[in-house]
Amino acid sequence: EPEVTQTPSHQVTQMGQEVILRCVPISNHLYFYWYRQILGQKVEFLVSFYNNEISEKSEIFDDQFSVERPDGSNFTLKIRSTKLEDSAMYFCASNSWGQGRYFGPGTRLTVL
Amino acid sequence: DAKTTQPNSMESNEEEPVHLPCNHSTISGTDYIHWYRQLPSQGPEYVIHGLTSNVNNRMASLAIAEDRKSSTLILHRATLRDAAVYYCIPVNYGGSQGNLIFGKGTKLSVKP
Repeated sequence: EPEVTQTPSHQVTQMGQEVILRCVPISNHLYFYWYRQILGQKVEFLVSFYNNEISEKSEIFDDQFSVERPDGSNFTLKIRSTKLEDSAMYFCASNSWGQGRYFGPGTRLTVL
Repeated sequence: DAKTTQPNSMESNEEEPVHLPCNHSTISGTDYIHWYRQLPSQGPEYVIHGLTSNVNNRMASLAIAEDRKSSTLILHRATLRDAAVYYCIPVNYGGSQGNLIFGKGTKLSVKP
């Protein structure tokens, strides 16, 4: 069964450093998303992406965040200057129109 | 966004059916009802979705009230692997496919 994959599974970085989280959505999906989950809290929406542009973004997704689909398979989330409060699990997701959303296993980001 | 109300927690015995309720009295006529679950230390997992008619798939059944103000996710035979937090989420298929807002959900415990 097709699945969303994410790399790395765990990323440790120093405060102020840039990180790029990578995702490979399911191949025939057209809608892509990033979510995050701080330990013990709810899953939070960050951004949705369709047709090579951002469709929606939350208040969390400020100027420090950016997304890109650099080729036909990858979907990336970049955090330019990480803060301690960016430590969380980051989930990528994708879906085709009108269907359920499939989530990846997540990348655990630890900012020291 | 439509608000949902779910019990904080439920318990079930293994191999018995489980009925997980959700109230969504402010749902709009074009919102689909999605259910997701999150197993411990994993990403959210799509379970099922529907608009008006009851739906069945290999994981579960979804019973939607005639007035669409509530729905029930039915696990026909609970297994230990079904222990998770279950989320009922109204989704509007606008251009962005909706940003899928996760609430607190229902924590399902399954006893052997």
